[in-house]
Amino acid sequence: DPKIIQKPKYLVAVTGSEKILICEQYLGHNAMYWYRQSAKKPLEFMFSYSYQKLMDNQTASSRFQPQSSKKNHLDLQITALKPDDSATYFCASSQDRVGSDYTFGSGTRLLVI
Amino acid sequence: GEQVEQRPPHLSVREGDSAVITCTYTDPNSYYFFWYKQEPGASLQLLMKVFSSTEINEGQGFTVLLNKKDKRLSLNLTAAHPGDSAAYFCANDLPGTGSNRLTFGKGTKFSLIP
Repeated sequence: DPKIIQKPKYLVAVTGSEKILICEQYLGHNAMYWYRQSAKKPLEFMFSYSYQKLMDNQTASSRFQPQSSKKNHLDLQITALKPDDSATYFCASSQDRVGSDYTFGSGTRLLVI
Repeated sequence: GEQVEQRPPHLSVREGDSAVITCTYTDPNSYYFFWYKQEPGASLQLLMKVFSSTEINEGQGFTVLLNKKDKRLSLNLTAAHPGDSAAYFCANDLPGTGSNRLTFGKGTKFSLIP
């Protein structure tokens, strides 16, 4: 059984629309993250949460908003979508201490047209 | 901020040959280092985590060398086989940032020459 569930696996969106990427982890981890991977850039850190609290944010645009309704959930809301937002978005989790092993989800492949 | 340089971006060898992927980093406070493998269309799989000073770690079919003096991390794939074809990423983790954030290299796409 997958330990981190990301939904949907594939997503096509129209420019200007809004989408929510879902992430749930069942590993008992207290830290969760979002990373983005595109053809142009390597794996980029976006956000980290610990005990549902934002710890670190490397995303310049406020169009990206993480949402944590439960300790094991960290969704990513993206508004006013642009074609440049097309990428694979990976959710990950770990224990909240430096050097803890990450477990990555299978990713959501977003295409904005 | 921290920068991780990974070389080469593409690497092809014949089956049975060895291959080396190297990363250099800038922040001397980097403490933990990781190698991840990503097969096409798949997620990232942790190959190894290292954190000591100069150290050689052996895994199944590969060796990882960390040299903190030179700020260099390498992955040596020994006797490459078809299952090794994938993208490989190095990453490091900085203590004291308030977040367990990983900084990744740009990746190396590794394949076997038919």
